[in-house]
Amino acid sequence: EVQLVESGGGLVQPGGSLRLSCAASGFTFSSYVIHWVRQAPGKGLEYVSAISSNGGSTYYANSVKGRFTISRDNSKNTLYLQMGSLRPEDMAVYYCARALNIAVAAYVGNDAFDIWGQGTMVTVSS
Amino acid sequence: DIQMTQSPSSLSTSVGDRVTITCRASQSINNHLNWYQQKPGKAPKLLIYAASNLQSGVPSRFSGSGSGTDYTLTISSLQPEDFATYYCQQSYSTPATFGQGTKVEIK
Repeated sequence: EVQLVESGGGLVQPGGSLRLSCAASGFTFSSYVIHWVRQAPGKGLEYVSAISSNGGSTYYANSVKGRFTISRDNSKNTLYLQMGSLRPEDMAVYYCARALNIAVAAYVGNDAFDIWGQGTMVTVSS
Repeated sequence: DIQMTQSPSSLSTSVGDRVTITCRASQSINNHLNWYQQKPGKAPKLLIYAASNLQSGVPSRFSGSGSGTDYTLTISSLQPEDFATYYCQQSYSTPATFGQGTKVEIK
């Protein structure tokens, strides 16, 4: 079964750090751009970050640039999101999502998202 | 960033009704428009990609159309399992941006 499974969410104080993971199975992980999308409670979807299939290129939304770092380990079929200097407005369910199309190694552009994880909740509160 | 505006924000309707949701981009996105369905507590599910292509496994009562800046999602005959929130997303340029969502509720 093709799937993504997030983990690592939890409660963190403002200014704190957290690392999310996204484990992939059922497909050739190293062939796809993977994205992070978040959803604050009761709100819509917000794009966060993306990483190319070979890990060489990354993209960050302005709202997280300089505070979040995306990475991947293709040998472990796992994506990561290291989050730092967390703010109350970062509180959300974080989803990892697979790009619809296989991409060339350094491509990190936009696409439809065909496979989503179940999400992991990040709560930022003192 | 490209702004995506959906309408309506919510609608109340009945099983068997035809439902139309529209999405307008702040600039032409050349059919790089995708539609998702999200149920409470669940991840979004891709329904339509590239404006009019039905994702594998999605019922044929869902269809998409449009061009340029204006796009439409149509559900030809609403089923009980279709009550959910629907989002459009442009994949023309980075960053991906989403509409604010349309909640389809039971009348």
